[in-house]
Amino acid sequence: DIQMTQSPSSLSASVGDRVTITCQASQDISTYLNWYQQKPGKAPKVLIHDASNLGAGVPSRFSGGGSGTHFTFTISSLQPEDIATYYCQQYDNLPLTFGPGTKVDIK
Amino acid sequence: EVQLVESAGGLIQPGGSLRVSCAASGFPVSRNYMNWVRQAPGKGLEWVSVIYSGGSTYYADSVKGRFTISRDNSKNTLYLQMNSLRAEDTAVYYCARSYYYDSDDYHSWYFDLWGRGTLVIVSS
Repeated sequence: DIQMTQSPSSLSASVGDRVTITCQASQDISTYLNWYQQKPGKAPKVLIHDASNLGAGVPSRFSGGGSGTHFTFTISSLQPEDIATYYCQQYDNLPLTFGPGTKVDIK
Repeated sequence: EVQLVESAGGLIQPGGSLRVSCAASGFPVSRNYMNWVRQAPGKGLEWVSVIYSGGSTYYADSVKGRFTISRDNSKNTLYLQMNSLRAEDTAVYYCARSYYYDSDDYHSWYFDLWGRGTLVIVSS
């Protein structure tokens, strides 16, 4: 199975800050990576698919990049509504696997 | 409206069985990759199973041999039959549709529609 790791596990930042989360795969997954946002008590929502493609209706302050084993997810200007946990997920191979998540809150 | 609605979960004793369903509207489950994803209380997301549009099924090792994914095209409904339940199966179970595209030079697969989830508690 492909193992996904994320760092940091949590972060606290101010409104307007640039926030970056990293995700590492245990093997080369090309760009077969998605990023999801999950707010408390809600189902996840895809923000970035295929490593760098913005999901439908997703604000442009969210972006993703990377390939191979190292990926990044960035919020260019953190907003109060971005308080959530963010997960990366690979689809190079079954089983589909998620990273452990990064919890983002406002300082 | 395009949506997924899971049935109610419940409290099940260890070793018991439960079937949860996911009623789809606005699109045919038969023509999509449909999944179950679970989340234990306070924990991260874990993919459980997928049924492809062609009918092939795949499972996480943690549930293989105990869980069965299926669909009823006439009812446009996805199911997850869970047998030999264990305490570690306690979770919110989400059904999720996959967007899937595969060509020679492009491959995309992500969960584009989720249900609200149903809580299954395995406890004596």
